[in-house]
Amino acid sequence: AQTIHQWPVAEIKAVGSPLSLGCTIKGKSSPNLYWYWQATGGTLQQLFYSITVGQVESVVQLNLSASRPKDDQFILSTEKLLLSHSGFYLCAWSRGDGNTLYFGEGSRLIVV
Amino acid sequence: GQQVQQSPASLVLQEGENAELQCNFSTSLNSMQWFYQRPEGSLVSLFYNPSGTKQSGRLTSTTVIKERRSSLHISSSQITDSGTYLCAKSGGSNAKLTFGKGTKLSVKS
Repeated sequence: AQTIHQWPVAEIKAVGSPLSLGCTIKGKSSPNLYWYWQATGGTLQQLFYSITVGQVESVVQLNLSASRPKDDQFILSTEKLLLSHSGFYLCAWSRGDGNTLYFGEGSRLIVV
Repeated sequence: GQQVQQSPASLVLQEGENAELQCNFSTSLNSMQWFYQRPEGSLVSLFYNPSGTKQSGRLTSTTVIKERRSSLHISSSQITDSGTYLCAKSGGSNAKLTFGKGTKLSVKS
C-alpha cells in the first residue's frame, strides 16, 4: 500500500526566517507530486507539481520554491517567510494525469 | 471569475436527512473530483468522476458535462459526515486542479 507522509505537522516561524516543508511517498514509483496551499478560511490553491525527479512546474508562485531531489520526495521552501505564507500546506500524489489525488495529512504554518 | 462554484456554502441537517451538494464549472472539463476535508484539514478522496454517475455506500456523484455541473448526494446523513466537501476540476490534466470554496456540512442529532 502507498503511504504519504508530511513533515513537520505544524510550525510557528518568524517573518524573514527560512522554511522547509517535506513530503515523502512510499510504495509507488514515479508518482506525480503536488503542493497545495490553503489560507485560513480560503480556497485550496495548487502551487507546484512534478511528474519526474528534478522537474518542477510552478502554478502559483507566492515567493516559494519547490524541488524534487528524489523520486519519492517533494520539498517546499523559501529563504524568507512572509506573513501571507501562513496557512495549511498539503502534499498530494497521483498515478498520472487525470487520476485520483491522494493527500498527506498537511503541515500547518503560522508566520508571526 | 471563479471557475468552480459550489453551493450551498453551508448546510445544516438533522441526522438521517439527505443532502445534495452542487458544483458548477464555467470552463471545459477534463476531470471532476470530490473530496471530504476533515475539520483538522486533511483531505479524503471521495470520487474521481469525469462523467456519469458513481456510487459508494451512501454517497453518489453525478457529473453532467453538457450542463457543466457535478453533484454529490449524501443519503441518510450521519453526524460523522460533518465537515467540508470540496469539488475540484481539471481542464487538462491533474497538473492544474481548480478547487471550489467548499460546502460546510453540519449534521446534528
